[in-house]
Amino acid sequence: AQTVTQSQPEMSVQEAETVTLSCTYDTSESDYYLFWYKQPPSRQMILVIRQEAYKQQNATENRFSVNFQKAAKSFSLKISDSQLGDAAMYFCAYGRDMGRRALTFGSGTRLQVQP
Amino acid sequence: NAGVTQTPKFQVLKTGQSMTLQCAQDMNHEYMSWYRQDPGMGLRLIHYSVGAGITDQGEVPNGYNVSRSTTEDFPLRLLSAAPSQTSVYFCASRPTGGHEQYFGPGTRLTVT
Repeated sequence: AQTVTQSQPEMSVQEAETVTLSCTYDTSESDYYLFWYKQPPSRQMILVIRQEAYKQQNATENRFSVNFQKAAKSFSLKISDSQLGDAAMYFCAYGRDMGRRALTFGSGTRLQVQP
Repeated sequence: NAGVTQTPKFQVLKTGQSMTLQCAQDMNHEYMSWYRQDPGMGLRLIHYSVGAGITDQGEVPNGYNVSRSTTEDFPLRLLSAAPSQTSVYFCASRPTGGHEQYFGPGTRLTVT
């Protein structure tokens, strides 16, 4: 079974600074997808970024980028120029390419942004 | 498009009561699923469906029942509520061939 581990329950960053959230996963499959979801206090799950395992290039979405290390099974999220609105819970998630295709989530990292 | 909608937003039940959490999507997505979110544990899959008439169990299915009579609706039934089912419940859908899941706003359920 796949597992996703987020080892940082809480992180803090100053506004305008850069922060990196860590995620590792365990799988025996070669084709899969990885996601970072943001959950603000409103509780809504918002997709931040996704990475296809077959792509070597790291995904980027504006201020958000990932460092995908397939051999190490690591998938970290970097937030540049942090803003107050980035404060939220962040969940790393793994999705299989075939079969059930449900997501397996990590336990989350709470990010605080200090003004 | 309304996306994925869930009702109610909040619910309080007494132990032993039954209820149905409603989930609907208007995006014609084949795949729908239910997750529960507990503090410190992320989201865990309860049940999922790959199309009308087809459902299957996820990681934590005990105490829950689902059916899928239409593409749009995927209700989650609690047969006899227990305090251990106090949680936030999310419904999600995904298009055929796609990999992004679209989440509803969640239902906060408290069982006393």
